[in-house]
Amino acid sequence: GNSVTQMEGPVTLSEEAFLTINCTYTATGYPSLFWYVQYPGEGLQLLLKATKADDKGSNKGFEATYRKETTSFHLEKGSVQVSDSAVYFCALSGLGGSEKLVFGKGTKLTVNP
Amino acid sequence: NAGVMQNPRHLVRRRGQEARLRCSPMKGHSHVYWYRQLPEEGLKFMVYLQKENIIDESGMPKERFSAEFPKEGPSILRIQQVVRGDSAAYFCASSPNGGGQETQYFGPGTRLLVL
Repeated sequence: GNSVTQMEGPVTLSEEAFLTINCTYTATGYPSLFWYVQYPGEGLQLLLKATKADDKGSNKGFEATYRKETTSFHLEKGSVQVSDSAVYFCALSGLGGSEKLVFGKGTKLTVNP
Repeated sequence: NAGVMQNPRHLVRRRGQEARLRCSPMKGHSHVYWYRQLPEEGLKFMVYLQKENIIDESGMPKERFSAEFPKEGPSILRIQQVVRGDSAAYFCASSPNGGGQETQYFGPGTRLLVL
């Protein structure tokens, strides 16, 4: 079936470090891909998305490129801040005409000053 | 422009009671989705509704769970005869149109605790 696999957390970084969170997917078609972020006690917020191969989503210094050949959508940021501490979820949708989001298990990021 | 509203934010029920979770979508949004987040896990799709219609309920447990989105008023997720395993965070999301490319906007969630 369709699924999303994220790198295991938790991830702990120092401020201004480089961040990569790996995300790969298994799908029978060409889904849309999303990164959502969840701050403690809150709901999910869309961070960025890409709807077709080779598209790059970007927002707030975060980037991810839709790689069809490697079925990946890795999240990167060049210099993290303490305020980036949160749980990050990779997700896909749009397969078989379905609008439902299929999520990875999430990666908890802690950034220390 | 208010975001997706959910209430209550926290709900405590004893085994066997009923839980009613409410979701008001963003203004202008007619598509509502419910997801469940178990501890230390990602979100799992439960049901997708448009006004007065259930479009996809493939993620809903077959028993005790139901959902509606009436013409007027919020969407309701109803859990009858709750059990401890129902303890989770329940998130509602909305979008203006259907389609897999659409962004879904999430509410803050209802955290259900079953004693």
